[in-house]
Order: sequence, then structure tokens, then C-alpha cells
Amino acid sequence: EAGVTQFPSHSVIEKGQTVTLRCDPISGHDNLYWYRRVMGKEIKFLLHFVKESKQDESGMPNNRFLAERTGGTYSTLKVQPAELEDSGVYFCASSLGRVNEKLFFGSGTQLSVL
Amino acid sequence: AQSVAQPEDQVNVAEGNPLTVKCTYSVSGNPYLFWYVQYPNRGLQFLLKYITGDNLVKGSYGFEAEFNKSQTSFHLKKPSALVSDSALYFCAVRDGRSGNTGKLIFGQGTTLQVKP
Repeated sequence: EAGVTQFPSHSVIEKGQTVTLRCDPISGHDNLYWYRRVMGKEIKFLLHFVKESKQDESGMPNNRFLAERTGGTYSTLKVQPAELEDSGVYFCASSLGRVNEKLFFGSGTQLSVL
Repeated sequence: AQSVAQPEDQVNVAEGNPLTVKCTYSVSGNPYLFWYVQYPNRGLQFLLKYITGDNLVKGSYGFEAEFNKSQTSFHLKKPSALVSDSALYFCAVRDGRSGNTGKLIFGQGTTLQVKP
């Protein structure tokens, strides 16, 4: 069974540019999460999809971040325009949605904004 | 405010010795606690969780964790460390009032270094 796939694994862009991160969850997982780890600090929640609907986007930093999950399959996270403080590792995770079940994480996208 | 603290950035232990990675938490409702591990260039992997029941929880790779409500702690332990246990460990908590969701609050992570 394929795990959660994220790409690119690394992205280096200049301030002001646009970057789109992609996440393919495990097939059949309705729940998809985006998390971010900045500067070696704690991993912070960004948002949660249930199928194609945004269940909770309380962790999105600002309106430069746009997440989509059209069709309830893969998800994209676009940052436009990117700022220096957006640098970090962006993780995607998925789950079936049972109570207190574990999350399956992707390897993350290391984003560097110069 | 809900939070998780991992007071040690790094823990060093010799192979074969017991290890402890510390975690304390603060939540308003019942705590649902998790440990995840990240090996280099890999995603986070689930190790174990405490939801209810016995305070000592056993998980993957011989790890266990002890839930202590009075001390609001959930320390990760292993009786005998292996070099292959060297990785980055994250403690996380979910507030029991937040419903059925994977929205977790993570600590900063602790790097475990096991030396031969």
C-alpha cells in the first residue's frame, strides 16, 4: 500500500514568488491535514480537509496561503507571494477518520524562501 | 492555552542503556496523547498513544510511555536503547473536547542520539 506522498521534496524560491505543494494521501483516507514546522520549532497545524471540504482552517497563517482538495483526493497548498518567514517543512498527513486513530505522514516538503 | 513541552532538545544515551524522552502537556479537557518518531528523510511515524485505561502504554519498536495525570506528563521510555533508535521524537496532544479530529498540538521535538 502506498503511503502519503508529497512533492516536491525540496523547493527553493525567491521572496515574492509562488510555490505550490502537493500531497497525495493514502487511497480511501477522507481526512487530510497540513502541518508546518518552522525553524526547528514545534509542528503546527494548518488545516484539515474531510473529503473536499475544509473542516478546520484555523491554523492558516494568512491569506497568502491557499489550500485546495478538489474531488477529495490529492491536495495542494499554494503560497503566493512567498515571504521569508514561510520557510520550513510542510507536512501532509491523512487518516480514515476514526476516533483517536493515528495519522500517516508524508516525508514533507522543505521550503526555502530566499 | 493548550500546549506540549519537550524540555530537552537532545538526549544522549549509550546503546543498551535505558532511555527516557520527556513530555509534559497542558489541555483543558481529557488529554489524548501521542508519540511520533521521524527518521532522517522520512515522515513522522506513529509510535503509541494514550486514550484511556492503563497508564503504561506499549507501542512500536519496544517503546512505552507512562501517563501521569497529576504531573501532566507522558514520558517516552525504552528499557534498552539501540543505535537504530536515533531519530527525532515528537510528543503530541489532542484536546478531548475538540471532537473527532487529527488536529494535534506538537512539542518542539527531541533528538535522541544513541551511541554504540
